[in-house]
Parts: sequence; C-alpha cells; structure tokens
Amino acid sequence: AQKITQTQPGMFVQEKEAVTLDCTYDTSDQSYGLFWYKQPSSGEMIFLIYQGSYDEQNATEGRYSLNFQKARKSANLVISASQLGDSAMYFCAMREGLNQGGKLIFGQGTELSVKP
Amino acid sequence: DTGVSQNPRHKITKRGQNVTFRCDPISEHNRLYWYRQTLGQGPEFLTYFQNEAQLEKSRLLSDRFSAERPKGSFSTLEIQRTEQGDSAMYLCASSLGFGRGDTEAFFGQGTRLTVV
Repeated sequence: AQKITQTQPGMFVQEKEAVTLDCTYDTSDQSYGLFWYKQPSSGEMIFLIYQGSYDEQNATEGRYSLNFQKARKSANLVISASQLGDSAMYFCAMREGLNQGGKLIFGQGTELSVKP
Repeated sequence: DTGVSQNPRHKITKRGQNVTFRCDPISEHNRLYWYRQTLGQGPEFLTYFQNEAQLEKSRLLSDRFSAERPKGSFSTLEIQRTEQGDSAMYLCASSLGFGRGDTEAFFGQGTRLTVV
C-alpha cells in the first residue's frame, strides 16, 4: 500500500537558520510525484514544491528545496533562512503514477515552530 | 480568479441534521477533489471529479455522503444524518489534468464542520 511517513511531530528552529523536515514514502509505482504543502493556522493548504520521480535534479523554489533520494525513498524538505512566518504545519504528499486521477496521499505532518 | 473558494468556512450542526458544503474551483481546472482532515492528521482523500464525472470514491465516503459537480464547475458535498465522527475540516482542491499529466493541486481554505 502507498504510504507517506513523517516521523517528526514537531520541530523547533531559530529564526534565520535552516531546517530539514523528513519524509519517507512507499510505493510500487515507477512514476510518481512528491509534494510539500504548508498549512498555517488559517487552514489553507499552500503548495510549496514538487519533485517528479524521474527528475534528476532536486527541486528548488526560493528558500525551499527538496532533498530527493530515490533509492532511500526519501523526500526531505529543506527551508533555508527560516522566518517567523514559516511557523505552520508541513505536509508531505505523494501522487501516484500518470493517469491515476491525481489524488494525493498525505503524511501526518510536522509542526514547525520558528523562534525569534 | 483568486483561487479555490469554499463555503461556508464554519458550520455547527446538531447530530442527525443534513449539511451541504460548496466548492468553487479555479475556473480552468477540470479536476476537483474533496479531502477530509481530522485534528492532528493529514488530509484523507474522499472523492474526485474529472469535469462533471465522479471518477473515484474512497471507502471513507459512506452512503451518507454524496458529492456532485453539475456542469463541471462548482461542486457540493452533502452529509446526511450527521454524526459526531463527521466533525472535521473538509478541504476542496482543484488541478488541471491534461493528457497523462497533472499540475499541482490548489486547495481552498476548507469548511470546518462541528457536529454537536
């Protein structure tokens, strides 16, 4: 069965420092996509970054980068230069295959707190 | 177009009552998804539409739940005879599905349901 595991229920980071949020996944598909979403207390899921299973380069979007290690089935999110506004829940998600309808399977999330 | 819109944002209802939620996706998006999120968990897939066709339903979607997307535009999610276990955040997302690919999903701010 397809599964996303986030083993860190909560993380603290000092403002301006970098932080890594862990994500491992399990799938038998060769083609899949990995996503990170941010969910502030307002509830909206905000798309951060995407990595395709065939992408050879790690994805980057501004201060966000995805450390993709396919053999280890991990897709960790790195946030550089943390800001107070980064405090939120972060969810890793997987979309399987092509022509699979695009539904996402989410992990349980990591609550990030940025300290001033 | 400012994104995915969900109404109402909050709903409190008595057990046994019926409730209906509405989702307006990003206008050019042909795929629409409903997810449910309980406290401390990641979102769980409920169902999705490709235009007006409902193509997949999760086993989480009991007979008391029904979703529609008339004319392939907005969607409604109805819960009949609500139970306390239905209390959750209901999230709607949309994406542009094309050929064998799919863009990232954009989420609305959700409808928080409380059944008392």
